[in-house]
Amino acid sequence: GESVGLHLPTLSVQEGDNSIINCAYSNSASDYFIWYKQESGKGPQFIIDIRSNMDKRQGQRVTVLLNKTVKHLSLQIAATQPGDSAVYFCAETSFNKFYFGSGTKLNVKP
Amino acid sequence: NAGVTQTPKFQVLKTGQSMTLQCAQDMNHEYMSWYRQDPGMGLRLIHYSVGAGITDQGEVPNGYNVSRSTTEDFPLRLLSAAPSQTSVYFCASSRDRGGEKLFFGSGTQLSVL
Repeated sequence: GESVGLHLPTLSVQEGDNSIINCAYSNSASDYFIWYKQESGKGPQFIIDIRSNMDKRQGQRVTVLLNKTVKHLSLQIAATQPGDSAVYFCAETSFNKFYFGSGTKLNVKP
Repeated sequence: NAGVTQTPKFQVLKTGQSMTLQCAQDMNHEYMSWYRQDPGMGLRLIHYSVGAGITDQGEVPNGYNVSRSTTEDFPLRLLSAAPSQTSVYFCASSRDRGGEKLFFGSGTQLSVL
């Protein structure tokens, strides 16, 4: 099967700092990538996506970077807030299937 | 706009019982899918459908059946529940065949005793 992994299972940051969450993927044929946020007891919530013909995409306080050469995806959160505390998943799609990483827990310290 | 609706939210079964987890979406999405989420693990695909009348297996299909008789509904059936099926189940849909973002339901927490 496909492999989508995260480098750090837990990330603690100070409120106001920037956060970077990393993800490695294994299928060079994947052409669409998504970041999700999951709060305790809830379903995953879409944050931002990027297609393989791009290397950067920005949203509101979030940026996704895609490096196809090393098959690496990252999510940058600017000015991290307590409400950003959650588990973050990356996902790739290949042949009608989504593959998810195991997640990184982001703790925001006040 | 309800999005993706899953029922029930919680369920306890005894080993060997059968049940159906319901999933409905009101966004006219072609693509629907079921995932299970176990502690410390990512979401794993059980079954998916790219349109009414079409279903296919994901990574962990054993012990589960699905059908897609309408665009809106995608029920997941546990034929004979086992303790290994204790998990949180999520239904998700998207507009396109895996090429658009998934919208998730709120999940069903299932315990099999």
